[in-house]
Formats: sequence, structure tokens, C-alpha cells
Amino acid sequence: GQQLNQSPQSMFIQEGEDVSMNCTSSSIFNTWLWYKQDPGEGPVLLIALYKAGELTSNGRLTAQFGITRKDSFLNISASIPSDVGIYFCAGQHINNFNKFYFGSGTKLNVKP
Amino acid sequence: DGGITQSPKYLFRKEGQNVTLSCEQNLNHDAMYWYRQDPGQGLRLIYYSQIVNDFQKGDIAEGYSVSREKKESFPLTVTSAQKNPTAFYLCASERGAAQPQHFGDGTRLSIL
Repeated sequence: GQQLNQSPQSMFIQEGEDVSMNCTSSSIFNTWLWYKQDPGEGPVLLIALYKAGELTSNGRLTAQFGITRKDSFLNISASIPSDVGIYFCAGQHINNFNKFYFGSGTKLNVKP
Repeated sequence: DGGITQSPKYLFRKEGQNVTLSCEQNLNHDAMYWYRQDPGQGLRLIYYSQIVNDFQKGDIAEGYSVSREKKESFPLTVTSAQKNPTAFYLCASERGAAQPQHFGDGTRLSIL
């Protein structure tokens, strides 16, 4: 099936630092989503992207839909302890509107 | 409040037993999905349903069954044929094609 490569797998950062993570695909996507999952809970939608080149912010979070339509980036500025969790990207292929493909997640740890 | 409710939060299965996981949504969403999440992996699609009385297999449907008799309900049965059922199961719903999916809080299934 479709593969999404998400990196890095995990990050250990100091409170106040900025964070970047990304997802790449071998296929063209028409939608990119970014989710955050806390332990034992379901993923919560952070940002949705629908157009190539689109840059969208949600508070300290900024995500971009890559120009090639094969990648997406998520940045978190001035990290705080509650940013701890697993961040997932999800993409919808241009030929299949019925399914989202998910990356394997980036586990973020923030040291106070 | 509108949302997706999964129950139970924790479930234990005995050898040879079928168990059913509940998923109910009051968002009036047409599409519903079941995913399986294993540690360090992305979400894998088990089954999905775009409309009532219709559903399709996802990438890992073997050993699972579903029904969609009502718009708001999409129960998942883990049958005895599923030899490795221990995982975190997530239900999601979606307003329409290319719209973001919203998740419940999951059910953790373990083997006794």
C-alpha cells in the first residue's frame, strides 16, 4: 500500500526550542493533515492543508503543503511541556478520496 | 457536545472469543472508519463505510467484521480468526470526501 515516510521518529528538545518534522510520499496527494495524539487517546486534528504551497498556522504551529504535492512540513515554535505527544501526518491520494494514509508518527519530548 | 464515542475503553479477549467494539457518532457524518494502531506504527485501515448498509475492506480486514445499520453507529467485531488482536483500535468519522477525519478516544484490546 501507499507509504508515508515521516521523520524524525522521535525528538528530545528543550522547552522554548523550535521543532520541525516532515512527511514525504512517493505519490501526489491532494490533502495533507496533521494530528497530535496524547497517550491513551485518539488523534486530534491540528491543521488541514488543501493546496500546493499552502501555509497555515494554528497558534504556535505552522504547516505547509509542499509545492511538489509529495510532502508536508509541521513546525512548532517556542515549544512548551504540553507539546509532548506523537504527531502524525496523513495524506489523501489524488486518485482515492475514500482513504487517508498515515505516517508512523514523530514522538516529541520536551524537557522543562 | 458533538463527537465520537468509543466503548469500552479497555477490553480483554479470551482465546477463541469474538469481541465487539462500539463506535457511535452524533456529528451526522456519512463516512466512518476503523483503524488499528500498534506501537511505533502509523494507523492501518481495517474497514470503512461511506453510507449506511455499505462498507469496504481496508488494508488489514482479515479477522475483523463490521456492520453499518445506522448512520451514527459502526461496530467492529474482532473474531477468533484474528490471531494477533492486541492493539489500540481507533474509530473515525468524516463529513465527506477529502474532509478531515475526526477520531474517538480509542479502545485498547488485550488477550487474557
